[in-house]
Amino acid sequence: KAGVTQTPRYLIKTRGQQVTLSCSPISGHRSVSWYQQTPGQGLQFLFEYFSETQRNKGNFPGRFSGRQFSNSRSEMNVSTLELGDSALYLCASSSGAGGSGNTIYFGEGSWLTVV
Amino acid sequence: DQQVKQNSPSLSVQEGRISILNCDYTNSMFDYFLWYKKYPAEGPTFLISISSIKDKNEDGRFTVFLNKSAKHLSLHIVPSQPGDSAVYFCAARVYSGGGADGLTFGKGTHLIIQP
Repeated sequence: KAGVTQTPRYLIKTRGQQVTLSCSPISGHRSVSWYQQTPGQGLQFLFEYFSETQRNKGNFPGRFSGRQFSNSRSEMNVSTLELGDSALYLCASSSGAGGSGNTIYFGEGSWLTVV
Repeated sequence: DQQVKQNSPSLSVQEGRISILNCDYTNSMFDYFLWYKKYPAEGPTFLISISSIKDKNEDGRFTVFLNKSAKHLSLHIVPSQPGDSAVYFCAARVYSGGGADGLTFGKGTHLIIQP
């Protein structure tokens, strides 16, 4: 069974640009969530999607957005990039059904460097 | 305000001995707890979880204990192996009526297994 797949793995962007990251969840999983990891703040929750609807959102500015498609694949977008957006962006999936569906599996992450 | 705390940034244990990683939380609404292992430049790997209705869960060499009254959980690894050297994250979530909140992570504990 394939795991959570994220693309691209590494990318470099310039301040002011925008970036789109992609995530394919584990087959059958309907919940996709995104996290940001930085040395200073650790792992922080961005947002969660379930059946194409955003269910929850972390404490990030509106420049961070996402969406989920009917096949459960998800994208996140960061607009007007700032140097502080340099981070490892992690996608995670779960069945979203509660109980054992609470187990969340992570992808390898997308390393974003803003210069 | 750090809702999930891992107070030991690092822990050194001899191979074959027991490793005990600790985690404290402040939010009494957390009802599901997870432990992840992470290597540099990789996504977190799920290890074991526990629901708030239980006080112990075992999976092979890994056992998680939950003390709700003390708002404390611990991960025991027995016996410790060199491949266990990694950063371990404690995470917790609240399952609200409309869906699960995102995971709240601790800052991590770097476990070093000495030969």
